[in-house]
Amino acid sequence: DTAVSQTPKYLVTQMGNDKSIKCEQNLGHDTMYWYKQDSKKFLKIMFSYNNKELIINETVPNRFSPKSPDKAHLNLHINSLELGDSAVYFCASSQSQGGVTEAFFGQGTRLTVV
Amino acid sequence: DAKTTQPPSMDCAEGRAANLPCNHSTISGNEYVYWYRQIHSQGPQYIIHGLKNNETNEMASLIITEDRKSSTLILPHATLRDTAVYYCIVRGSSNTGKLIFGQGTTLQVKP
Repeated sequence: DTAVSQTPKYLVTQMGNDKSIKCEQNLGHDTMYWYKQDSKKFLKIMFSYNNKELIINETVPNRFSPKSPDKAHLNLHINSLELGDSAVYFCASSQSQGGVTEAFFGQGTRLTVV
Repeated sequence: DAKTTQPPSMDCAEGRAANLPCNHSTISGNEYVYWYRQIHSQGPQYIIHGLKNNETNEMASLIITEDRKSSTLILPHATLRDTAVYYCIVRGSSNTGKLIFGQGTTLQVKP
């Protein structure tokens, strides 16, 4: 029973297209995140939502728009895809935004823009 | 959150203990030390965390020096499946929950 699940696992698309990645967690957590891992393997946070409210937006281009319909879901929509958007995107969740809490990560979505 | 420094890579023989060091000399009093690992092509996985006392769970042990400026993650009996990138992260309990990942240590467990 997967705790944090992302779909799709792989996504290949052309430049200029719009695409979405979905994330769901069944852990009852209040906080969800999107991280990006680029070709050099650096993992960097993009967004964080707590109870459907945006908490962190780490200077991500506004082509990226997260949406949290409820606290169990955090989707990532990307407009006008560029070659540089190619990366692995990880969704994560934690019990709360503060405190001593561990994060659970999904298996990642490998996005390739051609 | 304080910055951490880890060796880029380490080798360990299968069945032996793997000791992964981390320096965090600017850690402040309310910041915790967390360890995560990322096995190839998978999402990061939480291992353990601690404040100042040594901690042990089913995966690993965490030894934090008395001055808290460094720590060591110990995998007591490394297996081939422990080959991964290990990240040491310092994080305050009052922050936004984000994790700041460095380059980590690539641990290669060899038969």
